[in-house]
Amino acid sequence: GENVEQHPSTLSVQEGDSAVIKCTYSDSASNYFPWYKQELGKGPQLIIDIRSNVGEKKDQRIAVTLNKTAKHFSLHITETQPEDSAVYFCAAPPREYSTLTFGKGTMLLVSP
Amino acid sequence: KAGVTQTPRYLIKTRGQQVTLSCSPISGHRSVSWYQQTPGQGLQFLFEYFSETQRNKGNFPGRFSGRQFSNSRSEMNVSTLELGDSALYLCASSAGTGVEQFFGPGTRLTVL
Repeated sequence: GENVEQHPSTLSVQEGDSAVIKCTYSDSASNYFPWYKQELGKGPQLIIDIRSNVGEKKDQRIAVTLNKTAKHFSLHITETQPEDSAVYFCAAPPREYSTLTFGKGTMLLVSP
Repeated sequence: KAGVTQTPRYLIKTRGQQVTLSCSPISGHRSVSWYQQTPGQGLQFLFEYFSETQRNKGNFPGRFSGRQFSNSRSEMNVSTLELGDSALYLCASSAGTGVEQFFGPGTRLTVL
């Protein structure tokens, strides 16, 4: 099955800095890579995703890059704000394509 | 559109009891997936239902079961509760054509 590794497990940045979270996956057939943000007491919220036919996707201050050859993808958050503080999860689908295997999560703390 | 709803939000049970959790997906979504989230194991896939049929199943014991109704609402049941079943149980709905999954707020289960 799919194996997803996520790094770092915790990340502290100052407001206005950039943050980068990286994930690797094992199944070369995976073609969809979402990122979720989970705030305390809430369920994960889909914030951005990318399919394997593109290498990068942006949405305002967040972007995701994908390197299919190396089997890794990254989340980039620019101009971080305190409200970006949360746990971020990457995920990839195993061959069944209707489920998701999640990374262990990254706790992002943005200090004012 | 209303989001994914889960009831109840909190549950306290004792070992040996059983519990039933409910999930109502986004209107029009036919796929419902269940995940267990714990601090140690992260987000783990339990099972997925599509059009009242279990389409995929994760690596959990038979004490964990589920079903889906004709209106796409889903329930999961855990019998003979153990202390280790204490977790946040998340439901996610999908249109079924891809893997964009949208999560509910979860049910926090505590087993004493």
